[in-house]
Amino acid sequence: GNSVTQMEGPVTLSEEAFLTINCTYTATGYPSLFWYVQYPGEGLQLLLKATKADDKGSNKGFEATYRKETTSFHLEKGSVQVSDSAVYFCALLNSGGYQKVTFGTGTKLQVIP
Amino acid sequence: DARVTQTPRDKVTEMGQEVTMRCQPILGHNTVFWYRQTMMQGLELLAYFRNRAPLDDSGMPKDRFSAEMPDATLATLKIQPSEPRDSAVYFCASGRTSGAGGETQYFGPGTRLLVL
Repeated sequence: GNSVTQMEGPVTLSEEAFLTINCTYTATGYPSLFWYVQYPGEGLQLLLKATKADDKGSNKGFEATYRKETTSFHLEKGSVQVSDSAVYFCALLNSGGYQKVTFGTGTKLQVIP
Repeated sequence: DARVTQTPRDKVTEMGQEVTMRCQPILGHNTVFWYRQTMMQGLELLAYFRNRAPLDDSGMPKDRFSAEMPDATLATLKIQPSEPRDSAVYFCASGRTSGAGGETQYFGPGTRLLVL
C-alpha cells in the first residue's frame, strides 16, 4: 500500500535559517506529491505540489522536487520567518480514479526570532 | 474566495449524546472527505464521497458513526452515541476530480469536539 514517511518534529530554527523537512514515500504507479501546511487553529492548506518526476513545486519561498529515483519530496526554504511556524504534512495521491490522499504524520516547525 | 465551511466550530457534549457536524463543500467540487485529527493518531480519513456517493468509509467506526451527503451542498457526520475517545478535531475537505492527477483538497476550519 501507499505510505509517506516524514521526519519527526518538532523542528526549532532561528529566523533566517535554512529549512529542510525530509519526506519519502512508497507508492505504486506515478503518484502526485504535495506539501500541506496547517497553521494553529486552522485546517490544512496546500503549500505546493508536483505531479511527475523531476517537477519542482514552489510557493512562498518553499520548494520541493519530485525525485522518483530516491522516492523523496523534501521541503526546503532558504530563510525561514517566524510566520512559517506551523505543522507541515507531506502527502501523496495515487494516479487513477480513486482520490484518496495518504498523509504523513506531520512535522511541527517552530521559528524563533 | 471560495471556502469549505464547517459548523459548529466547537462542540462540547456529554457521553452518550448525539453529535452532528456539517460541512458545505466548495461549489462545483464533486469530492468530499471527512478526517479526524488527534495528537496520538494524527490525521485519519473517515469517509470519502464522490458525486455524493460514499466510496470509502473503511476508516469510520460503523457502530456509532455515519456520514451522508443529502445534497451537493451539504455533508454531515454523525456520532451516536458519542464517547470521550471521539474527542478530536474533525475536518471536512472538498475537491474536484479531473483525472489528470494533482487534485488538491481544500480543508475547512474544522470542528473541535470534546466529549465529557
